[in-house]
Amino acid sequence: GDSVTQMEGPVTLSEEAFLTINCTYTATGYPSLFWYVQYPGEGLQLLLKATKADDKGSNKGFEATYRKETTSFHLEKGSVQVSDSAVYFCALTERNYGQNFVFGPGTRLSVLP
Amino acid sequence: DAGVIQSPRHEVTEMGQEVTLRCKPISGHDYLFWYRQTMMRGLELLIYFNNNVPIDDSGMPEDRFSAKMPNASFSTLKIQPSEPRDSAVYFCASSLGLALDEQYFGPGTRLTVT
Repeated sequence: GDSVTQMEGPVTLSEEAFLTINCTYTATGYPSLFWYVQYPGEGLQLLLKATKADDKGSNKGFEATYRKETTSFHLEKGSVQVSDSAVYFCALTERNYGQNFVFGPGTRLSVLP
Repeated sequence: DAGVIQSPRHEVTEMGQEVTLRCKPISGHDYLFWYRQTMMRGLELLIYFNNNVPIDDSGMPEDRFSAKMPNASFSTLKIQPSEPRDSAVYFCASSLGLALDEQYFGPGTRLTVT
């Protein structure tokens, strides 16, 4: 079945450092890929998405590129802030309107001032 | 809009007890989803409803789990009897459509079964 693998956390960075959170996936078809963020005490929020190969999703300074050849969707940000401290989830769906939602285990990011 | 509301936010109960988790979706949303989040298995879809009707409950782990949606503004997830391995964070989400990126998640209920 489909699966999503993320780098284990926690990840601790200093403010203004460069962030990369790795995500790789396995899927039988052509999935859409997503990054979600969960701030303390809140539910998951969609951060960005990409629906086909070579698409780049971006939001709030975060970026991720859909790489079909490496089955990856790594999350990057050039300069993190303390307010970016949260748990980040990589996810996929085989069809954007289907019920096959697969989430990664999440990566906790802590940014220190 | 207040967003998706879940109650309680934290629940601690003893093994064998019945647990009921509650969710109020965003008004006007036709779909409601229940998820479970654990360290071992990550975030899993348990069941989802469309217009108050359960559509897919294939993610419900076993018969001890049941979910209902008596009206468009309320849903429950019940565990009876509860077991320590049910300890997890349970999320409710609602949306206008079935797509993942249309869903709005609630803050979750952290359940601890001792």
